[in-house]
Amino acid sequence: NAGVTQTPKFRVLKTGQSMTLLCAQDMNHEYMYWYRQDPGMGLRLIHYSVGEGTTAKGEVPDGYNVSRLKKQNFLLGLESAAPSQTSVYFCASSYSDTSAYEQYFGPGTRLTVT
Amino acid sequence: AQSVTQLDSHVSVSEGTPVLLRCNYSSSYSPSLFWYVQHPNKGLQLLLKYTSAATLVKGINGFEAEFKKSETSFHLTKPSAHMSDAAEYFCVVSPIYNQGGKLIFGQGTELSVKP
Repeated sequence: NAGVTQTPKFRVLKTGQSMTLLCAQDMNHEYMYWYRQDPGMGLRLIHYSVGEGTTAKGEVPDGYNVSRLKKQNFLLGLESAAPSQTSVYFCASSYSDTSAYEQYFGPGTRLTVT
Repeated sequence: AQSVTQLDSHVSVSEGTPVLLRCNYSSSYSPSLFWYVQHPNKGLQLLLKYTSAATLVKGINGFEAEFKKSETSFHLTKPSAHMSDAAEYFCVVSPIYNQGGKLIFGQGTELSVKP
């Protein structure tokens, strides 16, 4: 099993450009999450999905959109990138939303917006 | 509201000496608690988890943590540090009544190991 994979690993954007980050998992998990990681702030939840075709806002959703058209994929979009969106983005998945189940994380995408 | 506080942003130890990374949590109910480790330029890996069973939890690579409800703490320990333990460690809370499975992360503790 590959677990959780993310594409691309690195990206540099100019302000105003758009892009999509792809997350894929092969564990048949229902729940998927997008986080951003900034120095000294831990991970903050951007959006999440509790199943195919569903999405919900997390802690810091502004400037991002997501889609979950297939159970195994969760896409994160930036329509008009801003320097404040320079960060490391992590995708995660989980079998269940009950508190006993851990989340499995991808390797991350390092995004720089100039 | 639930929250997690990691009491040290950076801890430095010598190889072969004990490791202690401190975590306090705040939760209205008994939560599940996790420690994740992140090596440089890598994703997060689960070290161990507490889910209301035994209060002393053993994880991978010789780490363990003890859940102390009276102190609302979940400190991570290891008897003898290894160079490969150098990484960032996150204490994480998953509230028991948690629609959507959202996690609450501490700010992280960077562990340095000196030879």
